[in-house]
Amino acid sequence: GQNIDQPTEMTATEGAIVQINCTYQTSGFNGLFWYQQHAGEAPTFLSYNVLDGLEEKGRFSSFLSRSKGYSYLLLKELQMKDSASYLCAVRDLGSNSGYALNFGKGTSLLVTP
Amino acid sequence: EAGVTQFPSHSVIEKGQTVTLRCDPISGHDNLYWYRRVMGKEIKFLLHFVKESKQDESGMPNNRFLAERTGGTYSTLKVQPAELEDSGVYFCASSQVSGGYGYTFGSGTRLTVV
Repeated sequence: GQNIDQPTEMTATEGAIVQINCTYQTSGFNGLFWYQQHAGEAPTFLSYNVLDGLEEKGRFSSFLSRSKGYSYLLLKELQMKDSASYLCAVRDLGSNSGYALNFGKGTSLLVTP
Repeated sequence: EAGVTQFPSHSVIEKGQTVTLRCDPISGHDNLYWYRRVMGKEIKFLLHFVKESKQDESGMPNNRFLAERTGGTYSTLKVQPAELEDSGVYFCASSQVSGGYGYTFGSGTRLTVV
């Protein structure tokens, strides 16, 4: 497998910043994705990294280091609605069709008042 | 545009019965994927269609699972006969191109086999 690891649970305070880490192993890295999923809903796309560096999109940023097999999702100015599961997924040319996503188990984030 | 639609949202069936799940992708999306999440595990890839052809079915657990996409539009995933370990949430996703990052997921079908 791709050994995609991310913390199971995290708690943060409204208005704060939280960083969710993801480490992975692939034989043919072809992109890393972050999704947000609220209970009972569809995973929704947050970010995509294929080159090293930081991608910023509003309150959300994602960082990638291919040499380290490492990514993080940074959420700023946390809001209560950010309480959700955050899924790290990697596309690996060395597995299945090369176009499917390989997911971590997800990080359940709880934002408290 | 309408998103990816899955039907039913929930299904409870007895062991040994047959269940068919349906996925309607976003119109014009040639690529359709099925994924499954069983309790406590990560979302796992099942198979990938490009139009009506199976590009990759390496994630299908066994021959009790049959996926079809006649005409390259909607897809069905049939489980026959269902076993207890088939319980989980089945997600469908679609994308316009095979690469890129434009995967859109449906809300899933929660299947419970009792």
